Amino acid sequence: GQNIDQPTEMTATEGAIVQINCTYQTSGFNGLFWYQQHAGEAPTFLSYNVLDGLEEKGRFSSFLSRSKGYSYLLLKELQMKDSASYLCAVNDYKLSFGAGTTVTVRA
Amino acid sequence: DTAVSQTPKYLVTQMGNDKSIKCEQNLGHDTMYWYKQDSKKFLKIMFSYNNKELIINETVPNRFSPKSPDKAHLNLHINSLELGDSAVYFCASSPRGTGSYEQYFGPGTRLTVT
Repeated sequence: GQNIDQPTEMTATEGAIVQINCTYQTSGFNGLFWYQQHAGEAPTFLSYNVLDGLEEKGRFSSFLSRSKGYSYLLLKELQMKDSASYLCAVNDYKLSFGAGTTVTVRA
Repeated sequence: DTAVSQTPKYLVTQMGNDKSIKCEQNLGHDTMYWYKQDSKKFLKIMFSYNNKELIINETVPNRFSPKSPDKAHLNLHINSLELGDSAVYFCASSPRGTGSYEQYFGPGTRLTVT
């Protein structure tokens, strides 16, 4: 079975940094995705990690440790538009999603 | 141009009815998916087609029947709708079906069964 855990909610201030953790226990693993989903909209791709280490893309970075079954998404210089749900998804030849972390950015 | 489109965007219907949702992608991708997102925002895969062939069929009631007339289209027909079918249904596509590629999601169809 698939077990993917993320915190339910996080709140941070504009300009700050927030780290969203994701732990997983899955029957197979071929990589881990992070998607962003604004309320009432479709998920959109943020990052994909296959190997251990940090992938940086502008204000967003994602980290993976396969031996620990752990990933995090780091959001820097938070902006109001970053208020959204962030979904961790494990690739086992299909995507299994966590329940998502709702991030609220306050002025 | 819209990459992945779905119709309708909203669907309100009564228990027992049959309804269909249509999806089209103009990205030239080989693989298309149907996902269900329930009220708790949990996104779960239902079906996947690769070049018109069914490759993923999760534990879904057989009242749900997908159909892919060609690799650019994937429709979802639901028979005998139940209250628990109320959810947002997302269509998605990706270049290949191995799970290693970014998926592009449609805008979603919000289904409400009364």
